Amino acid sequence: GAVVSQHPSWVICKSGTSVKIECRSLDFQATTMFWYRQFPKQSLMLMATSNEGSKATYEQGVEKDKFLINHASLTLSTLTVTSAHPEDSSFYICSARDLAGGWGETQYFGPGTRLLVL
Amino acid sequence: GENVEQHPSTLSVQEGDSAVIKCTYSDSASNYFPWYKQELGKGPQLIIDIRSNVGEKKDQRIAVTLNKTAKHFSLHITETQPEDSAVYFCAPQVTGGGNKLTFGTGTQLKVEL
Repeated sequence: GAVVSQHPSWVICKSGTSVKIECRSLDFQATTMFWYRQFPKQSLMLMATSNEGSKATYEQGVEKDKFLINHASLTLSTLTVTSAHPEDSSFYICSARDLAGGWGETQYFGPGTRLLVL
Repeated sequence: GENVEQHPSTLSVQEGDSAVIKCTYSDSASNYFPWYKQELGKGPQLIIDIRSNVGEKKDQRIAVTLNKTAKHFSLHITETQPEDSAVYFCAPQVTGGGNKLTFGTGTQLKVEL
């Protein structure tokens, strides 16, 4: 149980294009999902918290107009990197909080999406 | 915000030895303490967690100990195996109010044959 998937697993795009990444909780419902970014040999940095049916909450320094988040259902959140540039190249990872798990604080992570912007 | 540090940043042990990674946090309100294992090119995987009302938890070869007074918790791996080689992250959390995890700096564990 508690499986989170991401699609695509990797993507290469040209500078200036937009890229959409999907995050799905496969066997549980998640009112809250989180999006992280990880640069090589660094830790995970939280970008935003995605809440089903409401606007996402962005961390300080993360441009909400550049990283569009939509959480349309209890099992799906999407991250769209708009007008991508080479500096957006990174490993993007989502996580989902299992409502039914214990105190509801446990987060399960997806396999990540590697983005390369040329 | 929460400051989280891990020590050591790299750890090399011989197969069969034990490994200990320590995580120090700053927010005394933290009450949930998970450890994640991340293999190269993959997302983090929860391996063990502990809540503030418990001092120690064990799951086969893995254990976590918590010292709330000193604000640190540690991951203990016994009888290490090559497949334990990965990066390990602690991520203390204050439950409620967003449930955001603050990841530590990471520890690269290498188990040598």
